[in-house]
Amino acid sequence: KAGVTQTPRYLIKTRGQQVTLSCSPISGHRSVSWYQQTPGQGLQFLFEYFSETQRNKGNFPGRFSGRQFSNSRSEMNVSTLELGDSALYLCASKPLAGKQETQYFGPGTRLLVL
Amino acid sequence: GESVGLHLPTLSVQEGDNSIINCAYSNSASDYFIWYKQESGKGPQFIIDIRSNMDKRQGQRVTVLLNKTVKHLSLQIAATQPGDSAVYFCAETSGTYKYIFGTGTRLKVLA
Repeated sequence: KAGVTQTPRYLIKTRGQQVTLSCSPISGHRSVSWYQQTPGQGLQFLFEYFSETQRNKGNFPGRFSGRQFSNSRSEMNVSTLELGDSALYLCASKPLAGKQETQYFGPGTRLLVL
Repeated sequence: GESVGLHLPTLSVQEGDNSIINCAYSNSASDYFIWYKQESGKGPQFIIDIRSNMDKRQGQRVTVLLNKTVKHLSLQIAATQPGDSAVYFCAETSGTYKYIFGTGTRLKVLA
């Protein structure tokens, strides 16, 4: 079974631009969560999607948004990029939401904002 | 954010020795815990999990111990190998939604 895939793997943007990242979960997994990882703040939860609905949200500004499609694939969007948005963005999937299950991570998208 | 970001503590271990990585979790209501391993340039990889109704669980070369009284989790790696060099994170959840991650510990295996 293929793992979680994320595209693109690397991205360079400039301040003020917007970016869309994509995540394909493990086949059969319907819950997709997004995390931001930086050296200074560690792994921080952005949001979780299940059945095309956002189920939970972390403490990030409204510039960070996401969506999930009927095939469980998910995208996250960051608008009006700031230098501080440079990070590794990780996607994780698990079969269901609201249950104690292991989440499996993708390789991440490394975003650099100049 | 909910995970505290500090400089990463480092554990240096001689190849072949046992490693013990510790984690203090924050929420007394958390009842599911996971250890992840993250190698450079990769996403976190699941190692082992434990539920709060257990205090010990063993996998292949790894053991997780849970002490709910002091909210402490540890990961023991037997016969540490060079391929074990990575950053190790613990994660906790109360089962409803967000996973809260620890700051991580860098494990360096010395040849």
